[in-house]
Amino acid sequence: DAGVIQSPRHEVTEMGQEVTLRCKPISGHDYLFWYRQTMMRGLELLIYFNNNVPIDDSGMPEDRFSAKMPNASFSTLKIQPSEPRDSAVYFCASSFGLGGTQYFGPGTRLLVL
Amino acid sequence: QKEVEQDPGPLSVPEGAIVSLNCTYSNSAFQYFMWYRQYSRKGPELLMYTYSSGNKEDGRFTAQVDKSSKYISLFIRDSQPSDSATYLCAMGFTGGGNKLTFGTGTQLKVEL
Repeated sequence: DAGVIQSPRHEVTEMGQEVTLRCKPISGHDYLFWYRQTMMRGLELLIYFNNNVPIDDSGMPEDRFSAKMPNASFSTLKIQPSEPRDSAVYFCASSFGLGGTQYFGPGTRLLVL
Repeated sequence: QKEVEQDPGPLSVPEGAIVSLNCTYSNSAFQYFMWYRQYSRKGPELLMYTYSSGNKEDGRFTAQVDKSSKYISLFIRDSQPSDSATYLCAMGFTGGGNKLTFGTGTQLKVEL
């Protein structure tokens, strides 16, 4: 298997623009997680899905952030409008079953100018 | 206070040294504990996974959990330059779904 796939790998945008990050989980995994990593705050869970249904979105910072999982093989994280403080590395991870190992993608490095 | 505290380092050691990485936590509900390794510009990858107090060994790596003190450790024996990475502790509990709480990570450099 190719592992978790994320795109784009790098994104540079200007404040106020919409940003869409994409994730393809490992085939057969039923959990999908979106994380944000910064030097100051470390790795923070934003939201996670089970069988395409959002289970816990308490980590989503504010209404500017939204996530969807239209099917088992695709998820998006959208930021609209983007702000400089959103600059971070965003990781997607997937796992199988309760307590299953989370496998991380390579991340998307986002820079908002 | 964060639920999980981890010294960010950086920690620099000579090749062959024994490395000790540590995390403390405040939530007594945590039941399982993990160590992830993250190379520069890569995603984290699972290194060790343990449920119970005590030690778990895997090659040069030993994970230690002391639930009474809310303290976990990762020991690396005979450290190699290829061990240079950031090590993140993570923990969760059965009632929390698959949600993990991560430490901020300790940056380790093993020098020749």
